[in-house]
Amino acid sequence: EAGVAQSPRYKIIEKRQSVAFWCNPISGHATLYWYQQILGQGPKLLIQFQNNGVVDDSQLPKDRFSAERLKGVDSTLKIQPAKLEDSAVYLCASGRTGKNTEAFFGQGTRLTVV
Amino acid sequence: AQTVTQSQPEMSVQEAETVTLSCTYDTSESDYYLFWYKQPPSRQMILVIRQEAYKQQNATENRFSVNFQKAAKSFSLKISDSQLGDAAMYFCGVQGAQKLVFGQGTRLTINP
Repeated sequence: EAGVAQSPRYKIIEKRQSVAFWCNPISGHATLYWYQQILGQGPKLLIQFQNNGVVDDSQLPKDRFSAERLKGVDSTLKIQPAKLEDSAVYLCASGRTGKNTEAFFGQGTRLTVV
Repeated sequence: AQTVTQSQPEMSVQEAETVTLSCTYDTSESDYYLFWYKQPPSRQMILVIRQEAYKQQNATENRFSVNFQKAAKSFSLKISDSQLGDAAMYFCGVQGAQKLVFGQGTRLTINP
């Protein structure tokens, strides 16, 4: 079974530029999560999708961050414009429907904003 | 709202010894699940163990076990016979009706 794929692995941009991350979840997984992990901290949930609907986006900075999940499969997370404090690893995870199901994580995208 | 607190930023243990990582949580939901995830230096997080809140029996997976105290909202992870490969960040998580949230993590070092 292929795992969660994320790209790019690394990205360096200047502040005020825009950036997009892509995630391909495990086939058949209805739930998709985007987390932000600042160095030395735990993952912070940005947005959670169930199929192509948003379950929770309460901690997504909507003035600069946006996310979509096309046809309930792939997802993109965009930041525009980026700030220095957005430097972090962005983790994508997917899981089957239900609460007691394992979330499978991708390798993450390390974003550096300079 | 769900919150998770891991009060030990770092822990270390001698190889082959036992270590316990602490976690407390808060949730307003009656039906929820608890997880421990491991994040090795390569960064990909993997599930270590999970516990259904409605089950009183503590979950066990080989050398990993939990001590679930529902009234105290405590969910600690015990690692027995620690191995060098156990060195990683460990995150406690809680999942209610919707979102899965994590604590700040504990960095575990294994001393040979």
